[in-house]
Amino acid sequence: DIQMTQSPSSLSASVGDRVTITCRASQGINNFLVWFQQRPGKAPKSLIYAASNLQSGVPSRFSGSGSGTDFTLTISSLQPEDFATYYCQQYKRYPLTFGGGTKVEIK
Amino acid sequence: QVQLVESGGGVVQPGRSLRLSCAASGFTFRDYTMNWVRQAPGKGLEWVAVKSYDGSTEYYTESVKGRFTISRDNSENTLYLQMNSLRPEDTAIYYCAKVPYPQALYGAFDMWGQGTMVTVSS
Repeated sequence: DIQMTQSPSSLSASVGDRVTITCRASQGINNFLVWFQQRPGKAPKSLIYAASNLQSGVPSRFSGSGSGTDFTLTISSLQPEDFATYYCQQYKRYPLTFGGGTKVEIK
Repeated sequence: QVQLVESGGGVVQPGRSLRLSCAASGFTFRDYTMNWVRQAPGKGLEWVAVKSYDGSTEYYTESVKGRFTISRDNSENTLYLQMNSLRPEDTAIYYCAKVPYPQALYGAFDMWGQGTMVTVSS
């Protein structure tokens, strides 16, 4: 199975801050990586697919980069509605696997 | 619009069975591979199972193999998860999720249901 390691597991930031979350795959997954945002009590929502493609309707302050084993999600200027938990997931092969999540909290 | 609605969750004793449903609307269900993903209380996301668009391919996470069965009725636009021999560690919210490309086995989920809670407890 492909292991996905996310860091940090949590972070505190202020509105307007630039935030970076990293995700590492235990083996190469090309660009078959998606980033999800999950707010409390809600289903996950896709933000970035194929490592760097913005999902329709997602604000441009979200961006993704990387290929192979190392990936990054960046929020350029954190907004109040961005406080949530973020997950990466590989879809190179089954079993699909998720990172452990990064909880973004208000500083 | 595209919608996935799960149902069938509840409280069940260890060792018993439960069947979850995911009703799809707003897209041509028979063309899309569907998945189940779960989330234990306060924990992260865990992929559970996949059923290809035509029903020919299915995979499971190791911990549910031999106990859970994923199926679909393309005439009823519904995905199912039959869960047998339930354990306390199966307690979770169960989501169904759709692959974005028609007749593809892989893809980044573009749509999730709201989830249905399953609690396994005596």
